[in-house]
Amino acid sequence: EVQLVESGGGLVQPGRSLKLSCAASGFTFSNYGMAWVCQAPTKGLEWVASISTGGGNTYYRDSVKGRFTISRDNAKNTLYLQMDSLRSEDTATYYCARHETTSYVMDAWGQGASVTVSS
Amino acid sequence: DIQMTQSPASLSASLGETVTIECRASEDIYNGLAWYQQKPGKSPQLLIYNANSLHTGVPSRFSGSGSGTQYSLKINSLQSEDVASYFCQQYYDYPTFGGGTKLELK
Repeated sequence: EVQLVESGGGLVQPGRSLKLSCAASGFTFSNYGMAWVCQAPTKGLEWVASISTGGGNTYYRDSVKGRFTISRDNAKNTLYLQMDSLRSEDTATYYCARHETTSYVMDAWGQGASVTVSS
Repeated sequence: DIQMTQSPASLSASLGETVTIECRASEDIYNGLAWYQQKPGKSPQLLIYNANSLHTGVPSRFSGSGSGTQYSLKINSLQSEDVASYFCQQYYDYPTFGGGTKLELK
């Protein structure tokens, strides 16, 4: 069974940092692109970042470029999102999701990690 | 960015009814369109990809259609377990999602 389990969420002050992790199991992690998608309270979904199978290629939405870093450790089957210089508008549930190498169709999602940015 | 406009924002329907949700892209996305279902308090789940391909395990009462900039999701014979929010997503370019449609029972 494919499983994605996020951790590392919490309450953080504006300007501070937080690192999310996503532990993958039930599939060959290194064969898939991975993404982070966020959802602000009672709002829609927004793609945040994606990473290629080997980690050599990363892609970000404009609002997080230079502040967030997506990475992966294929030996540990784990995806990461380093979030720096956090802003109140980053408050959301962050989902990790699996996608094919050739498209952004997201066929497996984690349960989400809640991030609240507030003083 | 490709903008995705989804309608309606909310929908109320009766059991057994057929419902349709629309999604319009700001430019041609060449069938690079997926639909997701998100039940309250849960993560999104893939329903449809390539505009009209049913994901594994998704009931056949769900179907997708469309081309160019206009796409739709149809649910035949609405069931109680279909109460959820539905989102379209284009993946012709970096992914963007529609604003969602909240489906409730009448």
